[in-house]
Amino acid sequence: DAGVIQSPRHEVTEMGQEVTLRCKPISGHDYLFWYRQTMMRGLELLIYFNNNVPIDDSGMPEDRFSAKMPNASFSTLKIQPSEPRDSAVYFCATNGQGPNEQFFGPGTRLTVL
Amino acid sequence: ELKVEQNPLFLSMQEGKNYTIYCNYSTTSDRLYWYRQDPGKSLESLFVLLSNGAVKQEGRLMASLDTKARLSTLHITAAVHDLSATYFCAVGQNFGNEKLTFGTGTRLTIIP
Repeated sequence: DAGVIQSPRHEVTEMGQEVTLRCKPISGHDYLFWYRQTMMRGLELLIYFNNNVPIDDSGMPEDRFSAKMPNASFSTLKIQPSEPRDSAVYFCATNGQGPNEQFFGPGTRLTVL
Repeated sequence: ELKVEQNPLFLSMQEGKNYTIYCNYSTTSDRLYWYRQDPGKSLESLFVLLSNGAVKQEGRLMASLDTKARLSTLHITAAVHDLSATYFCAVGQNFGNEKLTFGTGTRLTIIP
């Protein structure tokens, strides 16, 4: 298995632009998580899905952030409009049923100028 | 709200020495995970601990869980440079809720 796939790996954009981050989970994994990592705040859970349904979005910082999972093979995290404080590394992670560990993708390093 | 604390936050140690990283959490949990992150890289799963008294070992790393004390430890034996990384513990809330709460991480530097 190729593991969790994220794209793009790096994104540089200007304030006010829309940013879309993409994630392809490991096949057969029912849970998908979006995290954000910064030096100041550490690793934060933004939202997670079970069987394509959002379960907990309490970590989404504000309305500028939205996430979708249209099918079991694909999820997006969108920021519109982006701001410099959104600069971070965004990770997608997935796991299967039961108390299994989450497997993390390589991350997307976002820089908003 | 579940809180997870790790200490120390930074650890610099000489090769060949032993040391322990501690992970305390605030509410009852039945699963705890340890991850490793190298600079600029993603998180890699090291250990999954699912019961009181669980102990897992891989090479020079050994993790244990005491659910009554709400404490997990990651013990490093005879450290080598390759173990330099940031180590995170993550605590699950309960079965049926897959959410994990991560600790702040311990940045470990092994000095030759």
